[in-house]
Amino acid sequence: EIVLTQSPDTLSLSPGERATLSCRASQSVDRYLVWYQQKRGQAPRLLIYDTSNRATGIPARFSGSGFGTDFTLTISSLEPEDVAVYYCQQRLSWPPLTFGGGTKVEI
Amino acid sequence: EVQLVESGGGLVQPGGSLRLSCAASGFTFTNHWMNWVRQAPGKGLEWVASINQDGSDKKYMDSVKGRFTISRDNAENSLYLEMNSLRTEDTAVYYCARAAGGADHYFEYWGQGTLVTVSS
Repeated sequence: EIVLTQSPDTLSLSPGERATLSCRASQSVDRYLVWYQQKRGQAPRLLIYDTSNRATGIPARFSGSGFGTDFTLTISSLEPEDVAVYYCQQRLSWPPLTFGGGTKVEI
Repeated sequence: EVQLVESGGGLVQPGGSLRLSCAASGFTFTNHWMNWVRQAPGKGLEWVASINQDGSDKKYMDSVKGRFTISRDNAENSLYLEMNSLRTEDTAVYYCARAAGGADHYFEYWGQGTLVTVSS
């Protein structure tokens, strides 16, 4: 099973600041790393698939990078509506499909 | 517009059974793998089970194998999760999620979830 470790647990920033979220895999997942956003009380929403491809309707301030075992989700200029928990997921090797523990972004 | 609407959650005693349903609309149901993902209260996301387009291939997380059964009715555009021998640790919001096209196993669309509480 591929274990995903996200850091930090919580990120506290001000509007307009840059947010950098990390996801590290216990073994290579190639480029098959996905990011989701979950706002309080809502279902998760797909943000980025396969490292760097933004899903439909996702603003350009969200970007992803990385390869192998180390990945980053960047929010270039934080907006109040970006307050959420962000999860990474690997889809290279399954079952099981695995998620990271999440990073909470607060303002 | 893609819509996934779960139903069937509720309170059940340990050892009991429950059947979750997910009604899908707004896309060609038979083109996609379908999935159940759960989230225990205050915890992260956990993949539960997946089923391929014609129902011939099913995958499960280890802790639910032999207890949960995923199925689909393509004529009714519906996904199901039959849950037996429920444990307190199965308490969670259960989300129905549509995979992206082909064999891309990530979750492109999600329902709003249905809460399953296992408690005496």
